[in-house]
Amino acid sequence: NAGVTQTPKFQVLKTGQSMTLQCAQDMNHNSMYWYRQDPGMGLRLIYYSASEGTTDKGEVPNGYNVSRLNKREFSLRLESAAPSQTSVYFCASSAGVFYEQYFGPGTRLTVT
Amino acid sequence: EDQVTQSPEALRLQEGESSSLNCSYTVSGLRGLFWYRQDPGKGPEFLFTLYSAGEEKEKERLKATLTKKESFLHITAPKPEDSATYLCAVQGASGGSYIPTFGRGTSLIVHP
Repeated sequence: NAGVTQTPKFQVLKTGQSMTLQCAQDMNHNSMYWYRQDPGMGLRLIYYSASEGTTDKGEVPNGYNVSRLNKREFSLRLESAAPSQTSVYFCASSAGVFYEQYFGPGTRLTVT
Repeated sequence: EDQVTQSPEALRLQEGESSSLNCSYTVSGLRGLFWYRQDPGKGPEFLFTLYSAGEEKEKERLKATLTKKESFLHITAPKPEDSATYLCAVQGASGGSYIPTFGRGTSLIVHP
């Protein structure tokens, strides 16, 4: 089992460019999450999907959109990247919203 | 609003020197308190879930305990490989929100 996989691992964007971060899990989990982690700020939830077919905003959703493509896949899209979106992005999944989460290896994004 | 405060922010120990990390929390309707370990450049890795005051869980040199206001992660006779950042998170169930709240972590360095 690969667990939670994320692509790409690294990305450099220019201000205004768009991109999609991909996440997939092979644990048959119902819930999936996107976080960003910044020095001194800890993990902050961007969006989550409690179950297939639903998505909800987290603490810091502005500037992002998500798609729960199917039970396995949950993507995060930056429509017009800004330097403030420079961060490390983690995808996670869990059996349900009240269960422990399993994290992917992260995507390191730099916006210049 | 759910809150999690971890202390200390950083901790340096000598190999074999036992200590404890603290996680203080306020949450409406605790559904679970989670401990994760994060190594540099990697995603958080699940360690424990605690559900109610008085509960304890152990794994190798780590023991997690829970009261109504805080959780402790006790590290007994640590080894250099225990060096990592330890994250605490709470999951409440107020107002239909399923957003977990993470603390900023305690960075632990164990010197040989």
